[in-house]
Amino acid sequence: AQTVTQSQPEMSVQEAETVTLSCTYDTSENNYYLFWYKQPPSRQMILVIRQEAYKQQNATENRFSVNFQKAAKSFSLKISDSQLGDTAMYFCAFRDSGTYKYIFGTGTRLKVLA
Amino acid sequence: DAMVIQNPRYQVTQFGKPVTLSCSQTLNHNVMYWYQQKSSQAPKLLFHYYDKDFNNEADTPDNFQSRRPNTSFCFLDIRSPGLGDAAMYLCATSRVAGEQFFGPGTRLTVL
Repeated sequence: AQTVTQSQPEMSVQEAETVTLSCTYDTSENNYYLFWYKQPPSRQMILVIRQEAYKQQNATENRFSVNFQKAAKSFSLKISDSQLGDTAMYFCAFRDSGTYKYIFGTGTRLKVLA
Repeated sequence: DAMVIQNPRYQVTQFGKPVTLSCSQTLNHNVMYWYQQKSSQAPKLLFHYYDKDFNNEADTPDNFQSRRPNTSFCFLDIRSPGLGDAAMYLCATSRVAGEQFFGPGTRLTVL
């Protein structure tokens, strides 16, 4: 069975600093997608960044970037220049290209400190 | 803007009184999902549709039903809500490939 593991239940970072959130996954598939979603307190879940497994280049979206290590089945999220608005629950998610189901990790609660 | 809309945003019901939550999308996505999310937990998939093809998760209680009358709308029916069904219910959509798009959720309170 496919699994997604986020080993950091909570993290904190000072404003303007950099933080890395960890995610590992387990699959026997070769073609899949990986995602980081952000869910601010009492607000909507939104996509932060996505990575297709066939792409070797790490995805980047402004201050957000990933370190995708396919062989190690690792997909970490780096947030640079952290802002107060980055305070949220972050979920790592996996989708096998052959299904429509998404597997979510348990989440990392990130708090950005002023 | 294309989006996923959920109504109502807050729903209060009494123990055992049926309730229906609705979801609509303007994204024209084939796949629609219902999730249950309890506080500080990951979303738990209840079911999903690919077009009209319904897929139920094995551990989704029989108390939960769903309808998708057309591409744009999807409903979640809870036939006899119990206290344990109090949660945030998230609707999401996706294309055949790629990411999900989430609605704002409906927070269900059971008295």
